[in-house]
Formats: sequence, C-alpha cells, structure tokens
Amino acid sequence: DAKTTQPNSMESNEEEPVHLPCNHSTISGTDYIHWYRQLPSQGPEYVIHGLTSNVNNRMASLAIAEDRKSSTLILHRATLRDAAVYYCILFFTGYNTDKLIFGTGTRLQVFP
Amino acid sequence: EAQVTQNPRYLITVTGKKLTVTCSQNMNHEYMSWYRQDPGLGLRQIYYSMNVEVTDKGDVPEGYKVSRKEKRNFPLILESPSPNQTSLYFCASSVDRGGTRTQYFGPGTRLLVL
Repeated sequence: DAKTTQPNSMESNEEEPVHLPCNHSTISGTDYIHWYRQLPSQGPEYVIHGLTSNVNNRMASLAIAEDRKSSTLILHRATLRDAAVYYCILFFTGYNTDKLIFGTGTRLQVFP
Repeated sequence: EAQVTQNPRYLITVTGKKLTVTCSQNMNHEYMSWYRQDPGLGLRQIYYSMNVEVTDKGDVPEGYKVSRKEKRNFPLILESPSPNQTSLYFCASSVDRGGTRTQYFGPGTRLLVL
C-alpha cells in the first residue's frame, strides 16, 4: 500500500491561509489523492480529492505537484472550526477494495 | 439529511458476551465499511461490503463478523468480545465521485470490554 508522509502538527491564526503538505513519493498512476479531516469527537469527514490537476471546492483547494509525488491542502481562511487532524490518503479505486489507509495525519491548531 | 448512523454510541460489556453494533445509511450507497481507531495505530479497516450479500475482510477482521442483508444496513458482530477489542468503531459508506469513491463516516461507537 502506498504511503504518505505528513508533519505531525501545524499551527495557524484564525482567518489566515493554511498550507498542509503531504509527500507521497511512491504514488502509482492509478492512485487518487484524498484528504479527510477528523474534528474532535467525530468521525472522519471527506474534504477533497484529485488525480493530477489542482482542485477547488467549497471547503478547500488541493494543489498537486506535476510529478504527483507531493500535494498541498490549502484552507484559504482558517476558522476555529477547522481545528482537526487532517489525513492525506492515497486511494486505489477498484471493485474489490474500498480501503482508506489512514496514517497519523497532521493536527492543525487554529488560534483566535 | 444524508447520514450514517450507528448504535449504540457507547457500550460497556464483559468478555465473551456477544454484541452487535448497528450501522445504517440513507444514501443508497453500495459500499460500506467498518473501521476501528486506536491511539497510535490510526484507523484500520475491519470489513467492507461491495453490495448486498458481498463482503470481504479488511486489515483486522479477526474476532469480528459482518452481514449485509439489506443495502442500507451493515451490522458489526462481536461473537465473543475480548478486552483487546476495546476501541472506537466507525462505520462508513462510499459514493462514486469524480472517478473515485469517497466515504461518509458515522459518529462512532466507543466500546469498552471488561
């Protein structure tokens, strides 16, 4: 299973942009890059995903390096509610698998 | 509201007493999964199901059983719970999205086995 590497923790002030990095040097051509987050005392929550191109949605943006060996989740204006553990996950979409492999993630602290 | 529900949310039991944790989704998703979350080990998949009557093992299936008799329900069964199954359990269902699948997670069930 392909592996991702993320910093253990990051800090941000409220209303500032946050860039959460992820390295995935062993990514294969069929792996999608997924980001989930887990707020305190809740189940993980889907944030965004991409394959090769940068992606935007209402929650965040995902910037993918040209060689796909790294990616960055961008929260444009952090709020206190964004304090969570963020997981970068490589996902192979196949019929006989539906497994998200969660690493330790990045714990994001947001200060008022 | 689209959601995955789990019951019970909290459960204390004793070794060997069979228990079932229910999971239900109202989104008509085909895929469903069970995960357990333990400190330092992250979330690990226990079982998953591709559709009704089709299930397969995840990474840590020992000591667990599942069934998928209806599309919306995916119960997790512990026939003879042991203390090492004390954990936080999450059910999830998956939807096709942009060439891949993304998962919706339930709120979790915290289990303590004495």
